[in-house]
Amino acid sequence: EDQVTQSPEALRLQEGESSSLNCSYTVSGLRGLFWYRQDPGKGPEFLFTLYSAGEEKEKERLKATLTKKESFLHITAPKPEDSATYLCAVQELSGGSYIPTFGRGTSLIVHP
Amino acid sequence: DARVTQTPRHKVTEMGQEVTMRCQPILGHNTVFWYRQTMMQGLELLAYFRNRAPLDDSGMPKDRFSAEMPDATLATLKIQPSEPRDSAVYFCASGLDPARMETQYFGPGTRLLVL
Repeated sequence: EDQVTQSPEALRLQEGESSSLNCSYTVSGLRGLFWYRQDPGKGPEFLFTLYSAGEEKEKERLKATLTKKESFLHITAPKPEDSATYLCAVQELSGGSYIPTFGRGTSLIVHP
Repeated sequence: DARVTQTPRHKVTEMGQEVTMRCQPILGHNTVFWYRQTMMQGLELLAYFRNRAPLDDSGMPKDRFSAEMPDATLATLKIQPSEPRDSAVYFCASGLDPARMETQYFGPGTRLLVL
């Protein structure tokens, strides 16, 4: 059973067409929720950390929000350079270890 | 421009062969993580070290995988013997604190294909 589910799996947008990516999670002791951007052939690049429900973080055209069950990554007026796979991850403290669980990602393509 | 380096970037091998992947963490980072990424499973944590000591390897198949950190500038992940199901991209990441994922920086990955 997946602890972190991202939707949609793939999203195609026209430049300027705003949308949201979803990350739902089912963990008991959430320490933090993280968003990453991954370009083809590269490692994930950190975007945001959210720790508590109601928290919001913003960076350029991206805004991340968190509720008790899910997080959204809102993309406002996207540009072609925003095309990438966006991963979310939750972190739990389990047996003294900090264990991250990643979703499978949303592949975003923004057409000019 | 500090970054995590990984070698080799690509590896094709035959089933049963030993595979060694290397990672040089960012200077000053005391935590090193090994991840595996596949289409089916996504990105999974295999193991992580702090100050060169293994803290967690619960995600790693113990019978064929081993991870070590012989010194502060080198982390290795070995697979012996390799199997086709090990085909994946293996990422190393380094950071300042395992509790603070925002301090983790990922390397470019080693793309492994086991025939």
